[in-house]
Amino acid sequence: ETGVTQTPRHLVMGMTNKKSLKCEQHLGHNAMYWYKQSAKKPLELMFVYNFKEQTENNSVPSRFSPECPNSSHLFLHLHTLQPEDSALYLCASSQAAIAGATGELFFGEGSRLTVL
Amino acid sequence: RKEVEQDPGPFNVPEGATVAFNCTYSNSASQSFFWYRQDCRKEPKLLMSVYSSGNEDGRFTAQLNRASQYISLLIRDSKLSDSATYLCVVPNNAGNMLTFGGGTRLMVKP
Repeated sequence: ETGVTQTPRHLVMGMTNKKSLKCEQHLGHNAMYWYKQSAKKPLELMFVYNFKEQTENNSVPSRFSPECPNSSHLFLHLHTLQPEDSALYLCASSQAAIAGATGELFFGEGSRLTVL
Repeated sequence: RKEVEQDPGPFNVPEGATVAFNCTYSNSASQSFFWYRQDCRKEPKLLMSVYSSGNEDGRFTAQLNRASQYISLLIRDSKLSDSATYLCVVPNNAGNMLTFGGGTRLMVKP
């Protein structure tokens, strides 16, 4: 049973659709992250939120728009995506500011996105 | 050199074998390193941390070689359940981001 839950688990969308991915963590953490995992490629960090404030945007295209209303919830809004955006999108959380020290990120099971 | 580099494998080994993989990193200032395990179609989970000289946890041993800038993961007496992808992870200098390697896939056969 993971402390980080993601919905939906699977999503198929057209290039003109607007959809959102949701992440909720029940661990009392203060930092949340979006990662992208494509086939045959390393996990790519997309966004970091620390105490609800975005601290990193790793050169992500504007068709991906994150939202963090509070420390427990994180959204990724998707708009006019491309087929190459098809991937597994993983949400993670950690205690703020110590992810580097302990290296412990807690991941959700991911949302597998297919863009047609 | 890539920030974090791993041999993708797969490493195919029989049960009971000892297997080791290496991970090279580019940031010579990195102080801590991590191995994550990712099962097929599952999320990554922290396996073990590596600080200073190394770390041992049961059948798993992680070693750090600062001079050559690599870390290794040794698995003794492999079990079928060890089959997974092992991800090497290195923090950035500020300690607020983790860089993941592409992972090494291990398949343990009966």
